[in-house]
Amino acid sequence: QIVMTQSPSASASLGASVKLTCSLSGGYTSNAIAWHQQLPEKGPRFLMKVNSDGSHTKGDGIPDRFSGSSSGAERYLTISSLHSEDEADYYCQTWDTGIHWVFGGGTKLTVL
Amino acid sequence: QITLKESGPTLVKPTQTLTLTCTFSGFSLGTRGVGVGWIRQPPGKALEWLALIYWDDDKRYSPSLKSRLTIIKDTSKNQVVLRMTNLDPVDTATFYCAHLNILTTGHFFDFWGQGMLVTVSS
Repeated sequence: QIVMTQSPSASASLGASVKLTCSLSGGYTSNAIAWHQQLPEKGPRFLMKVNSDGSHTKGDGIPDRFSGSSSGAERYLTISSLHSEDEADYYCQTWDTGIHWVFGGGTKLTVL
Repeated sequence: QITLKESGPTLVKPTQTLTLTCTFSGFSLGTRGVGVGWIRQPPGKALEWLALIYWDDDKRYSPSLKSRLTIIKDTSKNQVVLRMTNLDPVDTATFYCAHLNILTTGHFFDFWGQGMLVTVSS
């Protein structure tokens, strides 16, 4: 049973950077993950896939301000030069043959 | 350009069966590597994966909901249908369908529908 742990909330100032974390549990610490952004009252949007080695592949039209990285069982989403429109919920997601598709609990990002 | 859109009833009574349709464009579910999944989100809560169907008609279900779910595809109509039986008010949620291609972005949903809210109430 995998658990993907995300902090419920995060905040940062306009123009600053923020690093969101997704922690993988158990025997799934080498899994790749995806980050999805969900703007208020909207459907999710795929941001990127992040591999265990830190390499990442972004979705169509995702700005360079968004980047991914990894360290051990942690997967990160860094947003630099924060814009007001970055205020959203951010979900991580993974997949494995036994567990299929699993989402984290989401982090609500507030831009101050 | 890949788009997906969910349709179906917005209000369902307890114990009834919910049938949702995902109509998509910009890809074919007959193409190797492609899959379409369903995910739900109760109000104010996190995303929960429900089911997925692959191009070759292979199907996957959430273990906790498997007995209540059926997913089918109609490749000629570019549609995927999800049926959920024995609805309960706790099943009230926004339902999303989403695309993946295991040959490009792996087992990650890279395009999502706008979602539709389904309320279960008598």
